[in-house]
Amino acid sequence: QKEVEQDPGPLSVPEGAIVSLNCTYSNSAFQYFMWYRQYSRKGPELLMYTYSSGNKEDGRFTAQVDKSSKYISLFIRDSQPSDSATYLCAEGGGTSYGKLTFGQGTILTVHP
Amino acid sequence: DTAVSQTPKYLVTQMGNDKSIKCEQNLGHDTMYWYKQDSKKFLKIMFSYNNKELIINETVPNRFSPKSPDKAHLNLHINSLELGDSAVYFCASSHLSLRGLTDTQYFGPGTRLTVL
Repeated sequence: QKEVEQDPGPLSVPEGAIVSLNCTYSNSAFQYFMWYRQYSRKGPELLMYTYSSGNKEDGRFTAQVDKSSKYISLFIRDSQPSDSATYLCAEGGGTSYGKLTFGQGTILTVHP
Repeated sequence: DTAVSQTPKYLVTQMGNDKSIKCEQNLGHDTMYWYKQDSKKFLKIMFSYNNKELIINETVPNRFSPKSPDKAHLNLHINSLELGDSAVYFCASSHLSLRGLTDTQYFGPGTRLTVL
């Protein structure tokens, strides 16, 4: 079993839709959680970073962490074609310093 | 100014060759990383250096050898390249707290390696 499981999709939605992306993890030692966005042929860039259970909002993006269920989500409101990318969840704070464990990534396409 | 840069961007080579990828960061970070991303977009840590000291060394063939000449540079040398080494290799950098927690990791643009 992988430490971080993420449905690779692909996910295709119309512009304006609410998108829900999810990951589950198995390592209770994970202390912090991130969502990265990766455009085609580019490096990943950080979208959201959170330490605790609960919700964190940044513009159209909301990250949700439920440590009791080992479940994290990213919601995108009013999705735009420019949101089309691969979204990677990442968990850290396990046993190795600085190590991030990534999910497989979900490919999202928002069509006009 | 590019924060994390990698050279080359593309690398096409024959099986059995030896090649190097270079990475530089101008963010003043103390920790640098090498990741491998396979064709299914799965991103996996390979190595990490903190202040030029190796702190993460995942299960990677010993044909891969990282080197950090200083805090701003991290290179990756690969000997005897194999078909399975074809992937995109990303360099990243961050600050590492005393508790070993990483701040945001900033990624380079990647080096697309194709082994024929």
